[in-house]
Amino acid sequence: GAGVSQTPSNKVTEKGKYVELRCDPISGHTALYWYRQSLGQGPEFLIYFQGTGAADDSGLPNDRFFAVRPEGSVSTLKIQRTERGDSAVYLCASSLVAATSTDTQYFGPGTRLTVL
Amino acid sequence: GQNIDQPTEMTATEGAIVQINCTYQTSGFNGLFWYQQHAGEAPTFLSYNVLDGLEEKGRFSSFLSRSKGYSYLLLKELQMKDSASYLCAVRSTGGFKTIFGAGTRLFVKA
Repeated sequence: GAGVSQTPSNKVTEKGKYVELRCDPISGHTALYWYRQSLGQGPEFLIYFQGTGAADDSGLPNDRFFAVRPEGSVSTLKIQRTERGDSAVYLCASSLVAATSTDTQYFGPGTRLTVL
Repeated sequence: GQNIDQPTEMTATEGAIVQINCTYQTSGFNGLFWYQQHAGEAPTFLSYNVLDGLEEKGRFSSFLSRSKGYSYLLLKELQMKDSASYLCAVRSTGGFKTIFGAGTRLFVKA
């Protein structure tokens, strides 16, 4: 596609429920990043994929959060037993080749998650 | 620890020049990025510095001093559409984690 797409754009759920957020990166981009952004803050790194593998998942806050990218393209961020503190905008970004220093990340429009 | 500091808010006048500063302390350094983010939208890439010095791109310039852990973004000939948040971000060495500052909200007034 022309840019990074994310679905849904908005998700409202109840505390304790399970949610999946989807990211479709720019075609041909091998690197994919997930971030979480709260109001008035910068994006907070969650996890990075190079191809199908999670190269760095040190930003995932706890084991309720998990992400996959089974075919090296689309990625899904999964949150179990959601809590009100999980409410935020979840941003996905992709880049062509993360190994080069000049690599630029292109962000999707985000999914606004609200946990009631 | 890792820390990126930038002013919370700045106000400038249309047509003027504004400088947004960023200082960082991170575990390793593999490049500094500036992103622009309008309210309710995704961040968009503005500039990248990995070596000391000034990078110029149209109305926007970015400066880096690695020894001082310091960067600034310079915006010239300000326009109303430049009202946005400006995010400073540092990529650490040996990995691809990018740490973002909280952003500087710039208000451009007529």
